[in-house]
Amino acid sequence: KAGVTQTPRYLIKTRGQQVTLSCSPISGHRSVSWYQQTPGQGLQFLFEYFSETQRNKGNFPGRFSGRQFSNSRSEMNVSTLELGDSALYLCASSVRTGELEQYFGPGTRLTVT
Amino acid sequence: KQEVTQIPAALSVPEGENLVLNCSFTDSAIYNLQWFRQDPGKGLTSLLLIQSSQREQTSGRLNASLDKSSGRSTLYIAASQPGDSATYLCAVSGTASKLTFGTGTRLQVTL
Repeated sequence: KAGVTQTPRYLIKTRGQQVTLSCSPISGHRSVSWYQQTPGQGLQFLFEYFSETQRNKGNFPGRFSGRQFSNSRSEMNVSTLELGDSALYLCASSVRTGELEQYFGPGTRLTVT
Repeated sequence: KQEVTQIPAALSVPEGENLVLNCSFTDSAIYNLQWFRQDPGKGLTSLLLIQSSQREQTSGRLNASLDKSSGRSTLYIAASQPGDSATYLCAVSGTASKLTFGTGTRLQVTL
């Protein structure tokens, strides 16, 4: 069974631009969560989607948004990029919301210059 | 607000040693606790998951314990190997799928 896939793996953007990251969960998994990892703040929860609905949201500004499609694939969008948005963005999937175990993808490394 | 702390922040041990990584959390009302491994620049690999009703879980050379009342968990690695070198993260969930992560312990196992 294929694992969680994230595209692109690496991305370089300029301040003020916007970016869209994609996550394809494990087949049969319907919940997708997004996390941001930075050296200063560590791993922080962004949001979770289940059945195309946002179920949970972390403490991030409205520039960070997401959505989930009917095939459970999820996208995350960051508008008006700031230097501080440079991070590794990880998504995790589970069978359903509240499921005990989550499986993480390899991440997208975003660099904002 | 849940806070998760891991001690030590970094650890270097010679191959073959047994070692213990510590994780503490401030709110004992957790749903479960997971230990992950992260190699440099990579995603997370789940090692062990302990449900709130459990006391410990074992997988191969790894053993994790959970004491909810004291807000503590330990990850025991037996007979460490160079391939165990990585950053180890513990994470707790209070609701649904939201995980709160610790700061991590960077482990180096030397030959």
